[in-house]
Parts: sequence; structure tokens; C-alpha cells
Amino acid sequence: GAGVSQSPSNKVTEKGKDVELRCDPISGHTALYWYRQSLGQGLEFLIYFQGNSAPDKSGLPSDRFSAERTGGSVSTLTIQRTQQEDSAVYLCVQETNYGYTFGSGTRLTVV
Amino acid sequence: AQSVTQPDIHITVSEGASLELRCNYSYGATPYLFWYVQSPGQGLQLLLKYFSGDTLVQGIKGFEAEFKRSQSSFNLRKPSVHWSDAAEYFCAVGRGSQGNLIFGKGTKLSVKP
Repeated sequence: GAGVSQSPSNKVTEKGKDVELRCDPISGHTALYWYRQSLGQGLEFLIYFQGNSAPDKSGLPSDRFSAERTGGSVSTLTIQRTQQEDSAVYLCVQETNYGYTFGSGTRLTVV
Repeated sequence: AQSVTQPDIHITVSEGASLELRCNYSYGATPYLFWYVQSPGQGLQLLLKYFSGDTLVQGIKGFEAEFKRSQSSFNLRKPSVHWSDAAEYFCAVGRGSQGNLIFGKGTKLSVKP
């Protein structure tokens, strides 16, 4: 596709449940990031994938968060045992020759 | 440490007035620089970017920004603000594959009639 696709666009989950967020990037570009934006806050870096290198996980807020990127394309962000403070918009960002392309985000609400 | 500072959390300007949003950064090398705008309930939209070359960059919607290496700044300007410019503006710095994209905390712009 022409852009970065994220699914679902909205997710409401109960506290304690696991969720999986998906990012379908633009083919042919290897660098991919996950960020989250909490209400009224800026963008918080979570994780960075670059080709076959080990991902930079330095932004993951706790061990409940994990992410993988299969075959250098699709990426999934998994949050285990969700907490209310996990409620945010989760953004997938891909680096291209022209800069950075943002997905439309997944709005996660933990109730 | 790499960082981006947007000193103004909230700015209010009158419609038709000029605008300058400040952005200062700390980075080990000359970074790539970006300004994004986010309207309420919307995603991030790229306004402009600086990679190299001319330090005055023109963007969409009449915005421009100037990279000043000596001041580690990349301030966003617009000569005449429109009511539709009311939004939150984020400055970001990165270095492509050599590091992640770091965002400032944003400046919320309100426009009064």
C-alpha cells in the first residue's frame, strides 16, 4: 500500500487482558518505530527496528510490553496484563527516503 | 543526551498576526529536523523537514522554519495566522537509521478572532 496501516484503529479492553496491535508498513523500507501518545502528552518512543539488527527496546515502559517484526515487514506490539495507564494512541512510524511516515494509530482504551 | 525542547506549552495569537514557535535541540551530530502538526482528534501531519542545504525551509500551509546551528534551534514561523492553524505543533529531531526520532512535548496554538 501507499502508507503505513495500523489495526485495529480502536481497541477497548478490560484491565488485565492482553492486546496485540498490528502495523503493516510500506514495503522496501527497513526502519520502523513504535511510539505512543497519551492524552495531552507528547510522543513517547517505545521501540525501533532496523533491518536484521537487534531492536532498540530502550523505550518500552515495562516488561509487559513486547514487539516483533516478522520478515522485516509486519510488526506487532503486544501488551500483556493491560493497565489503565496503558491507554493511549499507539503509532507505528516508518522511515522512508523522504523522512518519516506515520500510521493513523491504534487508540487503546483500558477499562 | 539527545533531547528536544519546545519551551512554550501554549501560545495564543490573533488571527492575521505573525507566529513563531520555538524549538531547541540537543544532538550529537547535525540531525534531521521536522515540524509536525496535529489537529484535535487527528493524526500527525508533516509540515516541513530539514535534511541539509538551505537552512530556511518552506513547508505546507505557508509555514517556514529556519535551522540555526549556532543556536541549536529550528523555529517555526508563519507571517499571518489563520483560525484553521489552531492545533498542536511538534518539533522532532532524528538521524535516520542512526537513531530514533525524538519529539518535543508540543506547543498548543490557539487563534483568537
